[in-house]
Amino acid sequence: SAVISQKPSRDICQRGTSLTIQCQVDSQVTMMFWYRQQPGQSLTLIATANQGSEATYESGFVIDKFPISRPNLTFSTLTVSNMSPEDSSIYLCSATSGRGVLDIQYFGAGTRLSVL
Amino acid sequence: KQEVTQIPAALSVPEGENLVLNCSFTDSAIYNLQWFRQDPGKGLTSLLLIQSSQREQTSGRLNASLDKSSGRSTLYIAASQPGDSATYLCAVENRGSTLGRLYFGRGTQLTVWP
Repeated sequence: SAVISQKPSRDICQRGTSLTIQCQVDSQVTMMFWYRQQPGQSLTLIATANQGSEATYESGFVIDKFPISRPNLTFSTLTVSNMSPEDSSIYLCSATSGRGVLDIQYFGAGTRLSVL
Repeated sequence: KQEVTQIPAALSVPEGENLVLNCSFTDSAIYNLQWFRQDPGKGLTSLLLIQSSQREQTSGRLNASLDKSSGRSTLYIAASQPGDSATYLCAVENRGSTLGRLYFGRGTQLTVWP
């Protein structure tokens, strides 16, 4: 199993500012992901954080708005840039070994972001 | 594109009842299906993972079944307790997609009252 620490757990930010969310895993993992969960909605994948290369973004999400770093196999950051009230959501990071059928996915506790 | 649907969206039952949560998915080419539990202010906890070749998995009072050909899964909770109150999410991992990438349903919000 893996334990994921995510911080901050919550924040209230002003419009136009940026927030960086950190995700730390207690063991080396192959795959790390960043999801957004808007109120009453399902989890939506923002991007896959690749170690040693650029993140892979899903349709509707761009690097300028959500820059991601993955400097090693246990750590990743997501920045929400130039925030607007529409960015108010829960942001979750997850990690898995990437073994296909045997993939149990582990999640951080999430970051609850409110933008005023 | 994979689409995952969960019904009902919400469920409220008295303690002790057996209950069934439903999940359906449109693309049967999956590696696995997972059921998660989400508590307010907390992340997701994996409850059960069913590999594509399996029909069911059991953990304590939880039993999950998978019918890949029809694109359906059910989560059966026996003898429900107030501590089972949470949102239950179903997610599938597709073959042909990035390994580990999950497609989620919107969840079933369960309330078990004493």
